[in-house]
Amino acid sequence: NAGVTQTPKFQVLKTGQSMTLQCAQDMNHEYMSWYRQDPGMGLRLIHYSVGAGITDQGEVPNGYNVSRSTTEDFPLRLLSAAPSQTSVYFCASSILQGNSPLHFGNGTRLTVT
Amino acid sequence: AQRVTQPEKLLSVFKGAPVELKCNYSYSGSPELFWYVQYSRQRLQLLLRHISRESIKGFTADLNKGETSFHLKKPFAQEEDSAMYYCALEFGDDKIIFGKGTRLHILP
Repeated sequence: NAGVTQTPKFQVLKTGQSMTLQCAQDMNHEYMSWYRQDPGMGLRLIHYSVGAGITDQGEVPNGYNVSRSTTEDFPLRLLSAAPSQTSVYFCASSILQGNSPLHFGNGTRLTVT
Repeated sequence: AQRVTQPEKLLSVFKGAPVELKCNYSYSGSPELFWYVQYSRQRLQLLLRHISRESIKGFTADLNKGETSFHLKKPFAQEEDSAMYYCALEFGDDKIIFGKGTRLHILP
């Protein structure tokens, strides 16, 4: 049982480049979300989804796009990377029921130069 | 606006001493609160949630609606408790937001 899988683990981009961070879960969870973790800022919610075809913005959505075409996958797209997007990105999933715990991936460390 | 505040970035406690990690929240509705922990080189994982009223690894947390707090406590710190701790609030349309985290360092 893999749980939540994020790829890649590390990535270096130049300013202006685009890329997609992948997230997949095999637990049939309806709810999926993306966070970024920055020193002194904790975890900040970027986007989230309560099911296939449904996405919504979190606290810091600017510069990021998401889609949810299947229950399993929730990719995060950076259309034009900026140095301010240097961070560690975490994907998480849970069942869609109040008080359900989030299951986290191992994270993707992104550096934008 | 909804907010989770963890006032301490770093908390150093001697082994065997009591631990209290503070968490305050701002939300006008009925809150659902959690503590998550991230040990070195491990994934973020749930430690406990207020609705369960359970003790996990000796930690407890009580929701105080009057003070809008959900502080995490343990009577006797152990070295393996050293980790990053995050308080989280679930509200409204299934949004879950986190505080800035507190690094707990247990001194031998």
